[in-house]
Amino acid sequence: GAVVSQHPSWVICKSGTSVKIECRSLDFQATTMFWYRQFPKQSLMLMATSNEGSKATYEQGVEKDKFLINHASLTLSTLTVTSAHPEDSSFYICSRSGGLSNEQFFGPGTRLTVL
Amino acid sequence: AQSVTQLGSHVSVSEGALVLLRCNYSSSVPPYLFWYVQYPNQGLQLLLKYTSAATLVKGINGFEAEFKKSETSFHLTKPSAHMSDAAEYFCALYNFNKFYFGSGTKLNVKP
Repeated sequence: GAVVSQHPSWVICKSGTSVKIECRSLDFQATTMFWYRQFPKQSLMLMATSNEGSKATYEQGVEKDKFLINHASLTLSTLTVTSAHPEDSSFYICSRSGGLSNEQFFGPGTRLTVL
Repeated sequence: AQSVTQLGSHVSVSEGALVLLRCNYSSSVPPYLFWYVQYPNQGLQLLLKYTSAATLVKGINGFEAEFKKSETSFHLTKPSAHMSDAAEYFCALYNFNKFYFGSGTKLNVKP
């Protein structure tokens, strides 16, 4: 069964509004989770590493103030897209590591469409 | 620098034919390598992984991949394609606590 869940699975919002996406680790206390963005017909690009109890680590070129990440508990990380614009429309996927294994477990993704 | 290159953004095979999806990597240290499959509007599902044990790795759904250090390759194969194999496949490399994904190969299976 799924070990990582995301909510919502899809969301449509107006330009200028903020959207929060939740990522939950269902079976494992994850001190680290990851957020990816996938544009149509492209690969996954790592946006940031979410660290429980501390600040997220953002990849080069990702705006920290626009993509707010909060990892307040060992099972929940949230990504908030602030003041969303149409170019933020994408498929957002979170993941967690597999403990001692290097395998990543991915959530089902969230489709964001900004009108 | 770490990188993954997948040759061929689209591959089309007939049902029952051999599937070969190519992946080459660049890594400054011995890599961990993975193949993931993604169905439309879904997350990624692990097919198989190489973690420095046996060079021929068997995965789910009849897929396997062979790690060839001399060729820096990790190609994915399946002897006989099924219609249900139609999806997008991503090769990935893990080093230094980060995943690096290839650009993906969309597999089409013709009846």
